[in-house]
Amino acid sequence: QKEVEQDPGPLSVPEGAIVSLNCTYSNSAFQYFMWYRQYSRKGPELLMYTYSSGNKEDGRFTAQVDKSSKYISLFIRDSQPSDSATYLCAMSARDAGGGYNKLIFGAGTRLAVHP
Amino acid sequence: EPEVTQTPSHQVTQMGQEVILRCVPISNHLYFYWYRQILGQKVEFLVSFYNNEISEKSEIFDDQFSVERPDGSNFTLKIRSTKLEDSAMYFCASSESRSAYEQYFGPGTRLTVT
Repeated sequence: QKEVEQDPGPLSVPEGAIVSLNCTYSNSAFQYFMWYRQYSRKGPELLMYTYSSGNKEDGRFTAQVDKSSKYISLFIRDSQPSDSATYLCAMSARDAGGGYNKLIFGAGTRLAVHP
Repeated sequence: EPEVTQTPSHQVTQMGQEVILRCVPISNHLYFYWYRQILGQKVEFLVSFYNNEISEKSEIFDDQFSVERPDGSNFTLKIRSTKLEDSAMYFCASSESRSAYEQYFGPGTRLTVT
């Protein structure tokens, strides 16, 4: 079983739609959960992070973590063509030194928002 | 806004050659990382570096790889004898602390091994 699983898509939606992106994971030690946006041939850019369980909202974006189900989600409201990108989930567990060094990424979901 | 920079943006090399990928982390950051992304695959952790030593490395980071902070601003990844399967995007990241959400990524170096 892969540590982090993410449907690669592609996902195509009309402008204004609500987008739901998801990841599942197997390592119960993960405590930080991040969502990154990546444009073609560019580096990942952090969108949001959540520590442990719960929801977090930032503008049109909402991140949810359900640790009991080992399932995380990113919702994008009122999606725009500029949201078209690959969305990566990433997770981190505390290491032996007490920090969170290593990010484990999902495969990324390609999202296309068409006008 | 401060950002991580990487050079070159694209490096083409022949199999068996040594390459050095360079990164300039954000100036007040203390923790440095290399990740790679083979085309069409997920971003994978290679190594983390703090206080002039490796903190953690993955199974991918074998003896062919090394990292160095040769001066106060650069952070380098060296691949001693490149293989075809080393072709990938290599991303440098840096953070001020060991918080997972604070890693800022550079734009990447595309390495092509022929």
